Order: sequence, then C-alpha cells, then structure tokens
Amino acid sequence: AQTVTQSQPEMSVQEAETVTLSCTYDTSESDYYLFWYKQPPSRQMILVIRQEAYKQQNATENRFSVNFQKAAKSFSLKISDSQLGDAAMYFCAYRSAGGSWGKLQFGAGTQVVVTP
Amino acid sequence: DGGITQSPKYLFRKEGQNVTLSCEQNLNHDAMYWYRQDPGQGLRLIYYSQIVNDFQKGDIAEGYSVSREKKESFPLTVTSAQKNPTAFYLCASSALGTVNTEAFFGQGTRLTVV
Repeated sequence: AQTVTQSQPEMSVQEAETVTLSCTYDTSESDYYLFWYKQPPSRQMILVIRQEAYKQQNATENRFSVNFQKAAKSFSLKISDSQLGDAAMYFCAYRSAGGSWGKLQFGAGTQVVVTP
Repeated sequence: DGGITQSPKYLFRKEGQNVTLSCEQNLNHDAMYWYRQDPGQGLRLIYYSQIVNDFQKGDIAEGYSVSREKKESFPLTVTSAQKNPTAFYLCASSALGTVNTEAFFGQGTRLTVV
C-alpha cells in the first residue's frame, strides 16, 4: 500500500514571499500520478497541480510549481508571490496509474497561513 | 452548472441511529467516491463505485454502506456500527479511462453525533 507523508503541519508566509511545502511518498510502483489539492475555509477541494511520474519535467501552474524527485520519492510544492487567497490547507495525494482518478491516497495536510 | 451536490451541509445524529448522506452529480461521471476527513489525518477513502450497481470498499469501510442505483447518485449510510462517526464527509466523482482529467469534489457534509 502507498503512504503519503506531509511533515509540516503548518507553514507561515508573508504576502509576496515564497513558501515550499514538503511531501514524501512510499510506493513500489513505477507509474503513478501525484497531486496537490487546496482546501480553503469553504472546505471545497480544489486541484492545484498534477505531476505524472513518467514525466521528468516539473509541472507548473502560474505561481505554483513542483519539485518532483522520483528516486527520492519527494514531491514538494512551491507557492511564489503568495497572496492572501492562498491561505488554506494543502494536501499531497497519490494515485496509482491503473487506478481511478478519484481513488487517491492523501497526506495529513499542511496549513498555509499568509500574513500581510 | 455542472457539479457535485452534497446534502445536508450539517447533520446531527443520535447515537445508535443510522443516517444517510446524499451525493448527486450531473457531470456524467462513471465513478464516484466517498471520503472521510478527520483533523490531522487527511482524507481517507470509504467506498467507491465505477459503475451502476457495483461498488468497492476503500480503506475504512467498516460501519458504512453505500448503494449505486443511478449513475448520478451515490448515497452513503453511516450505520450504528460506526464507532466514531463524527467527521467531515466528502463525495467526489471522476470520468473513467480519460487522460488528463481529475476528480471533482462536493462541498461536504459535517456529521456530528450527539
């Protein structure tokens, strides 16, 4: 079974600064997907970014980028130019390549606090 | 608008009672999922279904039951056998066999046992 670990319960960042969230995972599979989801106070889960394991290039979505280290089983999220609207719980998630898009293994989450 | 609707938003239950949480989607997705969220533990999969009249247990199915009689609907029953039912429950849906898609989530139901 796969496990996903987020070791930072909370991270604080000032507006316009950069914050990096850590995620490690354990798997014996070679093909899989990794995701970062955002859960704001409304509790709606929103997909932030996705990475396919077979792609060496790190995914980016506007101010969000990942550092995917397959050999180290590490998948960190960098939020650049942080905004107040980025304040939320962020979850790292794993999906097996043969599984469904919604059959995910989640980490415990990292609360991001953005200060003015 | 297309999306996933969970109802009610808040639900209170007395100990020993069964309660059913509703999840409806109009995204024409084949697959639907139920997750439980507890503080400090992230989301854990309870049940999922990839086709009508079929469903599979997730990681924490004990004390829960589901049905999938219609493609659009995937209700979750929290039975009296569930020892710690107070939690936030999220429903999701996704397409199958499609590249570069994602799971879509509802806004959740907060269940409190009183």
